[in-house]
Amino acid sequence: KQEVTQIPAALSVPEGENLVLNCSFTDSAIYNLQWFRQDPGKGLTSLLLIQSSQREQTSGRLNASLDKSSGRSTLYIAASQPGDSATYLCAVRPTSGTYKYIFGTGTRLKVLA
Amino acid sequence: GAGVSQSPSNKVTEKGKDVELRCDPISGHTALYWYRQRLGQGLEFLIYFQGNSAPDKSGLPSDRFSAERTGESVSTLTIQRTQQEDSAVYLCASSLARPTDTQYFGPGTRLTVL
Repeated sequence: KQEVTQIPAALSVPEGENLVLNCSFTDSAIYNLQWFRQDPGKGLTSLLLIQSSQREQTSGRLNASLDKSSGRSTLYIAASQPGDSATYLCAVRPTSGTYKYIFGTGTRLKVLA
Repeated sequence: GAGVSQSPSNKVTEKGKDVELRCDPISGHTALYWYRQRLGQGLEFLIYFQGNSAPDKSGLPSDRFSAERTGESVSTLTIQRTQQEDSAVYLCASSLARPTDTQYFGPGTRLTVL
């Protein structure tokens, strides 16, 4: 059974710091892995989608890597800003069964001004 | 274009009542998913629709939960005889058919059962 774990559960950093969020999954049989952002009381916003054949994706100050064989992904945020404060969720899409996502429990990030 | 929409945005109900939640997917998206997010927890898969195929209901927590989808458009999630543990945010997502396509999420319906 696929399980997704995110570490740390919560993180507080001063503005301007570079930071790394971690995601691990137990079964490497995945189509892709996606990072989402969730603001309080809001839905999910897709940040980066990494297909199983890819090693990383970049968008602006965000860079996500995928090491499928070891079951790990990292989300790197450069030069963090207070507006980056949110919960970051990692989700994998297993190749078995239907195409539902399996989500981690998230990392709550607070960037202090 | 329009994203995924859900209604109502908030629903407060009394224990034992039935509730119906609605999801309007992005036009042309054949796949539709319902997830539940309890306070402080991750998203739990509930049910998946793909075109005219039989839905994957493996995530529904009890027979009080059911969902329907009309063709490739609107979906409704019904919870009968609501319990306090049903209190959560219910999120809907839609996507194109391929497993490599991203899912687009609606804003969710926050359900509170008193």
